[in-house]
Amino acid sequence: SQTIHQWPATLVQPVGSPLSLECTVEGTSNPNLYWYRQAAGRGLQLLFYSVGIGQISSEVPQNLSASRPQDRQFILSSKKLLLSDSGFYLCACIRPSGSAVNEQFFGPGTRLTVL
Amino acid sequence: GENVEQHPSTLSVQEGDSAVIKCTYSDSASNYFPWYKQELGKRPQLIIDIRSNVGEKKDQRIAVTLNKTAKHFSLHITETQPEDSAVYFCAASPFTGGGNKLTFGTGTQLKVEL
Repeated sequence: SQTIHQWPATLVQPVGSPLSLECTVEGTSNPNLYWYRQAAGRGLQLLFYSVGIGQISSEVPQNLSASRPQDRQFILSSKKLLLSDSGFYLCACIRPSGSAVNEQFFGPGTRLTVL
Repeated sequence: GENVEQHPSTLSVQEGDSAVIKCTYSDSASNYFPWYKQELGKRPQLIIDIRSNVGEKKDQRIAVTLNKTAKHFSLHITETQPEDSAVYFCAASPFTGGGNKLTFGTGTQLKVEL
């Protein structure tokens, strides 16, 4: 079965500082990977998704970027954080198209507070 | 692109009663409809899903119904218990293609009162 790891679990950063959040997946190969942000008490906003190494699709224009340097690693970055970047960041994955199942699983999340 | 609307935004029921959450979607190409439960401070967890080739699916106290013609689907929870209290999200996506992106509803805060 698949396991998603996210690092770090919590983070407090000053405005203007850089950001790097990491997501790694075990138990599957060539997964589709997703980054979501959830503001406090709000819904799930899809930020980026990737269907393979080096392939990134951006859903919302912003000061964040994503990279997929390895098959099971997905990184979310920013050069300069804004207050509005605070939130709960969730990495998710599904098995590739054509498999018998299509469920999307979420990692444990990173809670980011920008001060 | 797909647009998913979810109602109600909050729902309060007495323990033992049933709860129903409804979602509508806009893209007729969508054919996979999962439901997630998110407890406070935790990740969303998949609780049930349905594909467009069936109209209803049941798993113990929870069931989901789908009306493709009307483009709506619903979550039904029977004999609610306090541990059912959480935020529930519906979602829709094409089963293949487009990165299998899920479009989520805005969530329903369910509170089961003793």
